[in-house]
Amino acid sequence: DADVTQTPRNRITKTGKRIMLECSQTKGHDRMYWYRQDPGLGLRLIYYSFDVKDINKGEISDGYSVSRQAQAKFSLSLESAIPNQTALYFCATSDWKTVMREEQFFGPGTRLTVL
Amino acid sequence: AQTVTQSQPEMSVQEAETVTLSCTYDTSESDYYLFWYKQPPSRQMILVIRQEAYKQQNATENRFSVNFQKAAKSFSLKISDSQLGDAAMYFCAYRTNFGNEKLTFGTGTRLTIIP
Repeated sequence: DADVTQTPRNRITKTGKRIMLECSQTKGHDRMYWYRQDPGLGLRLIYYSFDVKDINKGEISDGYSVSRQAQAKFSLSLESAIPNQTALYFCATSDWKTVMREEQFFGPGTRLTVL
Repeated sequence: AQTVTQSQPEMSVQEAETVTLSCTYDTSESDYYLFWYKQPPSRQMILVIRQEAYKQQNATENRFSVNFQKAAKSFSLKISDSQLGDAAMYFCAYRTNFGNEKLTFGTGTRLTIIP
């Protein structure tokens, strides 16, 4: 079983709809991240959380919100989706307590299309 | 803020040959990590190799090695004995050891392996 899972894997929605992308991990990591990938732009950080009570904005947080429901779950919401939010979204985790704390482990990605 | 530049949008190499992917970065920090991630068509982000900035020795992982030039802020990836399974997007990434410890990605290089 995958250590970092994302649901859904693919989603098509319409402009103005609210949508939630979910991320779960079984690695026991404390830190979780949401990134967005656009062609030609690489991955950019949307939000990150160092623990359940610590949530921070990344470089492109406008139009997004997050919820850290538990150490293992970190959800990304688009309150009113717009077409330029069409992208591939990745969740990632890391654990500062481990020797390899610098490594981030990525989920399989969610491809979101906003029509 | 840190920036990561990959100046080669696309590269191709003959199977069994060697190819080098370029990456430069800009930072005022002295302590950081650098990574190369591979993204095959499955879109999963896979860590290929990591380099700690305070280590002068270049990292090596089987057929993958890096040429880390700290003064020049250069971090290239060499793939030896290229295989068909190496075909993918390759992203260079920088991780700060301060603040949010987020990853800053380059825009990627698409590597094609010619049989």
